[in-house]
Parts: sequence; C-alpha cells; structure tokens
Amino acid sequence: EIVLTQSPGTLSLSPGERATLSCRASQSIISNYLAWYQQKRGQAPRLLIYGASNRATGIPDRFSGSGSGTDFTLTISRLEPEDFAVYYCQQYGSSPITFGPGTKVDIK
Amino acid sequence: EVQLVESGGGLVQSGGSLRLSCAASGFTFGNYWMHWVRQAPGKGLVWVSRLNFLGSTTDYADSVKGRFTISRDNAKNTLYLQMNSLRAEDTALYYCARGGSDAPMAYTGWGQGTLVTVSS
Repeated sequence: EIVLTQSPGTLSLSPGERATLSCRASQSIISNYLAWYQQKRGQAPRLLIYGASNRATGIPDRFSGSGSGTDFTLTISRLEPEDFAVYYCQQYGSSPITFGPGTKVDIK
Repeated sequence: EVQLVESGGGLVQSGGSLRLSCAASGFTFGNYWMHWVRQAPGKGLVWVSRLNFLGSTTDYADSVKGRFTISRDNAKNTLYLQMNSLRAEDTALYYCARGGSDAPMAYTGWGQGTLVTVSS
C-alpha cells in the first residue's frame, strides 16, 4: 500500500498570500496518478487537480499542481477567503487507492 | 449537472447489515467507474470500493474485503454497497463518488454522504 504523507499539518496564512502544500508518497506513483481535493466543513470534497498537474473543470487557475515520482505540490497562488479548507492528496495509480491525512489551511 | 444522492445509512448494532444506495442523475451513469469513500467523524478520507462500467470488475479495501459488496444497476442509475458483519470501526459518513472521464479513479462528482453508525 502506498502511504501518503502531507505537510504541514496546518498552514496559517492570510488572504492574498501564497500557499504551498506538500504530498510525499512512500513509493513512486505510477504515471503520476495523483489528485488533490478541497474539503470545506460540512461539505463533500471537490476535485481540484488530477494527474498531478491537470486542473479539473471549473477550478480557478490560482490552483496548480506539480511534481512527479514521490514528491508532489499543490500551490494556491493567492489565497481567497473561500480557499480556507482542508486539502487531501490521493494516489490512484495502485490498489488500494489511498489518501493523505490532509493539510488544513486556516486564516492567520 | 452531476447529482449523486446516497441513502440507506443509519444506526445498526455490531454484526448487523446495511445496504447503501446512491441514485445518480445528470450524466450517463453506465459510462463511469463508481466508488465508495468513507470518512469517520473528524477524520480523513478512506477509499472503500470501486466498480467498473458494467459491474464486472470490483476492488475493495482490505478492511472491508469479504464483508462489503459493491454493485450497480445501470438501468436504474443506482450504485449499491451491501455491508455485512459491521464493526464499530465502520462508523463513518459514506460518500458515493463518480470517476472522471480522463481519470476514472479521480472523483469528479460526490454525493453529500449517508451516515452509518455501528454501536458496539
């Protein structure tokens, strides 16, 4: 099973700042099958990025994904008030599909 | 618009059974992989099971293998999860999720979830 580690656990930032979230895998992810989700309190998750760097439909371009192999990054270029949430990475290249524990982005 | 509506959750005793349903609309259900993902209260996301377009290929997390069965009825646009031998650790919000067109194992649509509580 591929274990995903996300860092930091919590990121305290102000609106307008840049957020950089890390996801590290215990082994290389096949074909960079790595996705990022945003989950707000009381809501279902929403897909942001798939295939490590492809934005999902309707996702603003301030969200970008990068990385390959075992190290991946989600960057939010300028935080908007609605971006404060929990972010999960997911690998879907190997079974079982696994998620990271999440990074909470909260308001400083 | 993709719509997924789960139902069938509730309170059940340890060792009991439940059948979850997920009614899909707004897309051609039979063209997509479907998945169940769960989230224990205050915890992270955990993949549970997946099923291909025709229902001929299934996969399960080790923690539910042999106890849960995923299935679908494409004529009724409905996904199911039969859960037997339930344990306290199965307590969670269960989401139905749709795979994407470009990435069948990345979830482009989610329901709002149905809560399963297993009492010991």
